[in-house]
Amino acid sequence: SAVISQKPSRDICQRGTSLTIQCQVDSQVTMMFWYRQQPGQSLTLIATANQGSEATYESGFVIDKFPISRPNLTFSTLTVSNMSPEDSSIYLCSVDQGSKQYFGPGTRLTVT
Amino acid sequence: QKEVEQNSGPLSVPEGAIASLNCTYSDRGSQSFFWYRQYSGKSPELIMFIYSNGDKEDGRFTAQLNKASQYVSLLIRDSQPSDSATYLCAVQAGSYQLTFGKGTKLSVIP
Repeated sequence: SAVISQKPSRDICQRGTSLTIQCQVDSQVTMMFWYRQQPGQSLTLIATANQGSEATYESGFVIDKFPISRPNLTFSTLTVSNMSPEDSSIYLCSVDQGSKQYFGPGTRLTVT
Repeated sequence: QKEVEQNSGPLSVPEGAIASLNCTYSDRGSQSFFWYRQYSGKSPELIMFIYSNGDKEDGRFTAQLNKASQYVSLLIRDSQPSDSATYLCAVQAGSYQLTFGKGTKLSVIP
């Protein structure tokens, strides 16, 4: 399976600021996904990011709050904008390989 | 709305026993089924996948699928303390999107 890295691994941010999370894959993949996992909860899909097209957002998530870039087949970024304490969560990127999804190590975000 | 249900646990089993984890799903069009293991503070790791009715075995793990009953399970034989984790059931229907259950926390007691 692909090797996936994320930066930063964790961060503590003040409310009202923005944080950009990077996801790097060691091989080219068509589909990348961004998930959120709130404390004690399961995974919720934020959006699907395909290279060369706009990200597709799930219900409850909007581009102004979570802008996503996908400049090439190995890289994507997710920005969490105008953060509030409710955005404190783990953010995970995943990739589809052979119709199976594999996850990066995650970014633990705390908003104070 | 697509739903995936799992008992939250915790499920406690003694070392060496069989752990049985269960999952039901609402979308009859679901085609692919996955089990992820998530250790505390870590990201989910894919451990099993199954597409057809019946059993699929991989080492100590067996995934079982019954589409008529909309039921998928994961059996872990000879459970070890290192198997202690949260197990997430995920279901895929047609598109690439996965729907996750809330997970079952497994504790293997030495």
